[in-house]
Amino acid sequence: DAKTTQPTSMDCAEGRAANLPCNHSTISGNEYVYWYRQIHSQGPQYIIHGLKNNETNEMASLIITEDRKSSTLILPHATLRDTAVYYCIVRSPYNNAGNMLTFGGGTRLMVKP
Amino acid sequence: NAGVMQNPRHLVRRRGQEARLRCSPMKGHSHVYWYRQLPEEGLKFMVYLQKENIIDESGMPKERFSAEFPKEGPSILRIQQVVRGDSAAYFCASSTQSGISSYNEQFFGPGTRLTVL
Repeated sequence: DAKTTQPTSMDCAEGRAANLPCNHSTISGNEYVYWYRQIHSQGPQYIIHGLKNNETNEMASLIITEDRKSSTLILPHATLRDTAVYYCIVRSPYNNAGNMLTFGGGTRLMVKP
Repeated sequence: NAGVMQNPRHLVRRRGQEARLRCSPMKGHSHVYWYRQLPEEGLKFMVYLQKENIIDESGMPKERFSAEFPKEGPSILRIQQVVRGDSAAYFCASSTQSGISSYNEQFFGPGTRLTVL
């Protein structure tokens, strides 16, 4: 799976949009971008994933650049409960033998009142 | 639809004892993954199982650790002769049948926090 690079930490004001970047310059054609988050002391939570088109669900939006070398997770109206470590993971869902998720350091998002 | 269940949530063992961690996947999920998170570190993959089969155990220590996912019942992660370095949070995740689908995202349980005294 391709390696990802994320900022170590970010702050965001409550009610504002949180934009979390991720670089994945070595991503290959069949690899998807997945985002998970881990709120303190809880299990990781799936947020969203995408291949090349922008994606949106009830939790967030995922913007993937045209060359697919980077992406941004957008939480449109951050709340205090969104404070968590956010992980950007690149993997191929077709790789049955390598089905594990490889978690890097992630971005520690602190939403402040 | 209940999520991934793990028990116990907290487990305290003395050095040399055995620890058994249980994971019940989401209904309809036949794939189970175990991850370990040491204090102040990220999650590390340990083992990937399907019913009655270990598919990938590349992340699991060769000694003292074993995992199973029987035809009936939960998946079990077993740690024999625990040492202080085994103290960590152990997370289980499950997914639907993998294959040609991008929707086999993994759903995680709340974790078991193992403390070795």
